Amino acid sequence: EAGVVQSPRYKIIEKKQPVAFWCNPISGHNTLYWYRQNLGQGPELLIRYENEEAVDDSQLPKDRFSAERLKGVDSTLKIQPAELGDSAVYLCASSPGLAGGGDTQYFGPGTRLTVL
Amino acid sequence: SQQGEEDPQALSIQEGENATMNCSYKTSINNLQWYRQNSGRGLVHLILIRSNEREKHSGRLRVTLDTSKKSSSLLITASRAADTASYFCATDRTGNTPLVFGKGTRLSVIA
Repeated sequence: EAGVVQSPRYKIIEKKQPVAFWCNPISGHNTLYWYRQNLGQGPELLIRYENEEAVDDSQLPKDRFSAERLKGVDSTLKIQPAELGDSAVYLCASSPGLAGGGDTQYFGPGTRLTVL
Repeated sequence: SQQGEEDPQALSIQEGENATMNCSYKTSINNLQWYRQNSGRGLVHLILIRSNEREKHSGRLRVTLDTSKKSSSLLITASRAADTASYFCATDRTGNTPLVFGKGTRLSVIA
């Protein structure tokens, strides 16, 4: 079974430029997550989708970040314009979406973004 | 904000020794999970322990949970060089709240 796929793996851009990350979750997983991981830190949730609905986007900086999950399958996270502080690894994860919590999350390899 | 805090921040041991990492958290939880992250890779789920459980085993891994002290520990027995990675604890407060990750413990196992 294929895991969570993310692209690109690495991206280097200049500040004020736009950037987009793509994620394809494990087939059949209803829940999709986008995390940001700064160096030496744990992942921090940006947005969580249940199928195509964003159910938790309280940590997403909406002035410059946007996300979509059309048809409830793959997802795109966009930053426009990028700032120096956006340099980080952006992780996508998916889970089956079990009632009652305790859902195991399956992570992609991440996209390492460097903003110059 | 990060709920869990792992201790120590970094740990270096010889192959064959046991490694113990601790996680403390602030609020009551529903579940606590441990994940491993190899350098430059995504996180891999290791084990989940529910708030009504005290201990759980999986292969060379042993996890304990003490809800009265709001803490958990991860023990890796007979460590191998391949266990070198960062280990994160993650908690959720209810069935519908997201996981909150700690900062991680960086484990180095020297062959």
